Amino acid sequence: GENVEQHPSTLSVQEGDSAVIKCTYSDSASNYFPWYKQELGKRPQLIIDIRSNVGEKKDQRIAVTLNKTAKHFSLHITETQPEDSAVYFCAASIGTGGFKTIFGAGTRLFVKA
Amino acid sequence: EAQVTQNPRYLITVTGKKLTVTCSQNMNHEYMSWYRQDPGLGLRQIYYSMNVEVTDKGDVPEGYKVSRKEKRNFPLILESPSPNQTSLYFCASSSTSEGEQFFGPGTRLTVL
Repeated sequence: GENVEQHPSTLSVQEGDSAVIKCTYSDSASNYFPWYKQELGKRPQLIIDIRSNVGEKKDQRIAVTLNKTAKHFSLHITETQPEDSAVYFCAASIGTGGFKTIFGAGTRLFVKA
Repeated sequence: EAQVTQNPRYLITVTGKKLTVTCSQNMNHEYMSWYRQDPGLGLRQIYYSMNVEVTDKGDVPEGYKVSRKEKRNFPLILESPSPNQTSLYFCASSSTSEGEQFFGPGTRLTVL
């Protein structure tokens, strides 16, 4: 079946450093790739997303890149801050016209002050 | 305030006792979905709905039922809960099939 693999499962960085989280997906029909942030005890919230007709998207310190040929997409966080500490999930839409979504297993990011 | 609500937020029950977790959104979204979250497994989609009376299976539908009789509500039904359904459940809604999903606060379910 379809799946999304996410790496690493845990990432620890110093404040001010960059963090990169990578995902691969299996369904070549996937067109939408969101990233969600989940703080401890809270609900997931969208931080950035990218569609298949775009290779890169940036929003302040956060950027996402997509390589459709290789079925890879990555989240880049620059100048990390302690408040960036959370679990991050990548996801991919499955098929077309429906609402089926596959999430990665998550990356727990620790930003050390 | 635009929001997705779930009830109850916490529930402890016993094996085999039917239960329903309600989900409601006030954003007039067509798309709604249920997920379960387990450590190390991320969010796994149980069922989703694309409109009233239109539902489909996600990745892990076994042991669950849903209904979408009204646009704003999407209840999750466990007819005969088992301990392996102990999990954190999230409802989500979206205005498009490929767009931001707004999550509810979550329901922590324990089945003894």
